[in-house]
Amino acid sequence: DAGVIQSPRHEVTEMGQEVTLRCKPISGHNSLFWYRQTMMRGLELLIYFNNNVPIDDSGMPEDRFSAKMPNASFSTLKIQPSEPRDSAVYFCASGGQPYEQYFGPGTRLTVT
Amino acid sequence: AQSVTQLGSHVSVSEGALVLLRCNYSSSVPPYLFWYVQYPNQGLQLLLKYTTGATLVKGINGFEAEFKKSETSFHLTKPSAHMSDAAEYFCAVTNTGFQKLVFGTGTRLLVSP
Repeated sequence: DAGVIQSPRHEVTEMGQEVTLRCKPISGHNSLFWYRQTMMRGLELLIYFNNNVPIDDSGMPEDRFSAKMPNASFSTLKIQPSEPRDSAVYFCASGGQPYEQYFGPGTRLTVT
Repeated sequence: AQSVTQLGSHVSVSEGALVLLRCNYSSSVPPYLFWYVQYPNQGLQLLLKYTTGATLVKGINGFEAEFKKSETSFHLTKPSAHMSDAAEYFCAVTNTGFQKLVFGTGTRLLVSP
């Protein structure tokens, strides 16, 4: 198995632009998580899905952030418009066995 | 609500020395506990987990952790540190019925030759 796949690995964009991060979870896993990691705030859970349905989005910081999971093999996290304070590493993780999460390599987002 | 506290944001050891990373948890129900490791520029990787049964749990790369209910602790140990163990380590907790994990703030392990 290729593990959790995230794209792009690096994204540099200007303030105000739309950013879309993509995630392909491990086949057969039924839960998917989006995290954000920064030096100041550590690792934060943004949203998670179970069987493609959003279960808890209480960690999404603002309405500028949205996430979708149209099918079991694909999810997106969108930021529109982006701001410099959104600069962070964004991780996607998928879960199969109860409570085990497998993380992707992350997308490093820089907003200038 | 569940929470974890990791004592020490940085731990320094010499190669060959004992590694001890501390984690205390708070949970209103029997917890499931995890240790993850993050190498530079990588995602988190599961080291080991405790769910039920044996309280001493062995993981990858020679690490182990012991669940101590009376102390609400789940400390991570390794008898002999290797240079390749230098990374950030995260303790996490959840409880039955919920999929999401609550992560600690992480402990960076530094290994000197």
